[in-house]
Amino acid sequence: KAGVTQTPRYLIKTRGQQVTLSCSPISGHRSVSWYQQTPGQGLQFLFEYFSETQRNKGNFPGRFSGRQFSNSRSEMNVSTLELGDSALYLCASSLGQGSSYEQYFGPGTRLTVT
Amino acid sequence: AQTVTQSQPEMSVQEAETVTLSCTYDTSESNYYLFWYKQPPSRQMILVIRQEAYKQQNATENRFSVNFQKAAKSFSLKISDSQLGDTAMYFCAFMNRTSGTYKYIFGTGTRLKVLA
Repeated sequence: KAGVTQTPRYLIKTRGQQVTLSCSPISGHRSVSWYQQTPGQGLQFLFEYFSETQRNKGNFPGRFSGRQFSNSRSEMNVSTLELGDSALYLCASSLGQGSSYEQYFGPGTRLTVT
Repeated sequence: AQTVTQSQPEMSVQEAETVTLSCTYDTSESNYYLFWYKQPPSRQMILVIRQEAYKQQNATENRFSVNFQKAAKSFSLKISDSQLGDTAMYFCAFMNRTSGTYKYIFGTGTRLKVLA
């Protein structure tokens, strides 16, 4: 099975712009979670989507949004970028139900805001 | 709210030696799961080992084992016979299931360097 893929791998944006990141989960996985990783802060949970519905949400401002499509692919959008949004954004997929709780991570998208 | 604390930002160990990474957590839940993830430099995060809170036996995966102390809310990772490929960032994670959903909380990580 193919692993979790994320595109693009690297992005450079300017303050005030918006950005969309994409995540394709492992085939058959219906849950996609997004995390922001910064040095010293570890992984901060953004949100989780399951079957096209946001099921969980972390403590991030409304500039961070996401969605999930019927094929379980997910996108994350950040509007009005700030310098502090520079980070590695990871997505993780899982079956998301029953006793299957393991998350599998993608390689991440490194976003640099200048 | 649940929290996960990794008090060792950086550690180093000689090749072939044993090293223990610490993790403590706080929760009022009785049923949860704990994980250690490894993130090698510029590479993907992978699951190293998992522990179900209801299991008293400590999990073991080859050279990796945990010391799970439920009452003390401690979950340390022991790496035996350290190898250069073990050089990575290690994250401790807590997960519990509420209302049919899963919520993961990660620690800030420990950067481990294995020295030749």
